[in-house]
Amino acid sequence: DVKVTQSSRYLVKRTGEKVFLECVQDMDHENMFWYRQDPGLGLRLIYFSYDVKMKEKGDIPEGYSVSREKKERFSLILESASTNQTSMYLCASSSPVGRVDGYTFGSGTRLTVV
Amino acid sequence: LAKTTQPISMDSYEGQEVNITCSHNNIATNDYITWYQQFPSQGPRFIIQGYKTKVTNEVASLFIPADRKSSTLSLPRVSLSDTAVYYCLVGDGNTDKLIFGTGTRLQVFP
Repeated sequence: DVKVTQSSRYLVKRTGEKVFLECVQDMDHENMFWYRQDPGLGLRLIYFSYDVKMKEKGDIPEGYSVSREKKERFSLILESASTNQTSMYLCASSSPVGRVDGYTFGSGTRLTVV
Repeated sequence: LAKTTQPISMDSYEGQEVNITCSHNNIATNDYITWYQQFPSQGPRFIIQGYKTKVTNEVASLFIPADRKSSTLSLPRVSLSDTAVYYCLVGDGNTDKLIFGTGTRLQVFP
């Protein structure tokens, strides 16, 4: 029973390309998050959203933007991909009291920028 | 931001009990402490959550002292399939953000 779906498991893009990472959840969660995960750096929050059309910067938003046009979908956009954005990207969602229920994560997208 | 630290790695053998501690020196007063398990090339998976004292479910126990500045995930009788990275997640007392721990890589040997 897949609940948070990320559109791609693996992506290879060229430097300078605009990249879209899509995330869809079917749990009617209000909160959605994008993290990147790198060896030795753990999980770092890029952006998050607590409602449709709402977005907040996380700890490392530079070089990224997001879109939340529908409750179930949260997109991460790399405006001009660079090699230092090669990483594993993880989407998560939670309910409004998600700090009680915890996050549900997608399987991740491993992005390689060449 | 609160520092949320864990041991980098731990080794164990099948059938042993493993205890992984997370130190969170500035945890938010009203937030729960949550632990996740992550296998390679997968997203983190919820294991257990607690607020204080002890919580037990079918896979683990979570021990939280009264000051809540740390928590210990206890895995009873580990098996090879428990080899994974384990993260704690807590709310920061100053920023109200949720902070992941640094992660502990558990290796279980036969």
